[in-house]
Amino acid sequence: RKEVEQDPGPFNVPEGATVAFNCTYSNSASQSFFWYRQDCRKEPKLLMSVYSSGNEDGRFTAQLNRASQYISLLIRDSKLSDSATYLCVVTPNTGNQFYFGTGTSLTVIP
Amino acid sequence: DTEVTQTPKHLVMGMTNKKSLKCEQHMGHRAMYWYKQKAKKPPELMFVYSYEKLSINESVPSRFSPECPNSSLLNLHLHALQPEDSALYLCASSQEATHGGELFFGEGSRLTVL
Repeated sequence: RKEVEQDPGPFNVPEGATVAFNCTYSNSASQSFFWYRQDCRKEPKLLMSVYSSGNEDGRFTAQLNRASQYISLLIRDSKLSDSATYLCVVTPNTGNQFYFGTGTSLTVIP
Repeated sequence: DTEVTQTPKHLVMGMTNKKSLKCEQHMGHRAMYWYKQKAKKPPELMFVYSYEKLSINESVPSRFSPECPNSSLLNLHLHALQPEDSALYLCASSQEATHGGELFFGEGSRLTVL
């Protein structure tokens, strides 16, 4: 079983739409959670850390559900510039181990 | 601007060549990583250095040889590579695991093996 499962998509949504991505993780000892954004042929960049209380940054909202072992990312009012691959990353905060989801491809259409 | 610097950005090499990828960070991070990424796949861990010592080797073929000269530098020495080794090689750094920080990636070195 993979450490992190993520729907690869692709998600094709119109501008202005709301889109949500989920990741599930298998290790209940996981402690830190992140969403990264990766543009084509570029490196992954941190979009948001995910906290138990949930956190919001403008149009982006991240949530963590420890009981069900999943994290989510909600993007409201999608922009063309949101088109990218979104990677969820989970770590148990031991052993310098970071586990990546497969990435979800998002294309926002005019 | 990335705080992890990788050189070269692009590299083309033949199967008999020897080359090196270099990575540098000045964030005081004590963990440094090499990842390999193929198109439409997530980064795949190769090596982890913690406090300048190799702590994880994900069964990487010996034609890839990592080196950590000091806490700021990480190299990946390449020798006798195969065409299937063509990929984006990403260096990353982080605080030591117990601090719970995120990974910081360099821009990557895009390698083509002919």
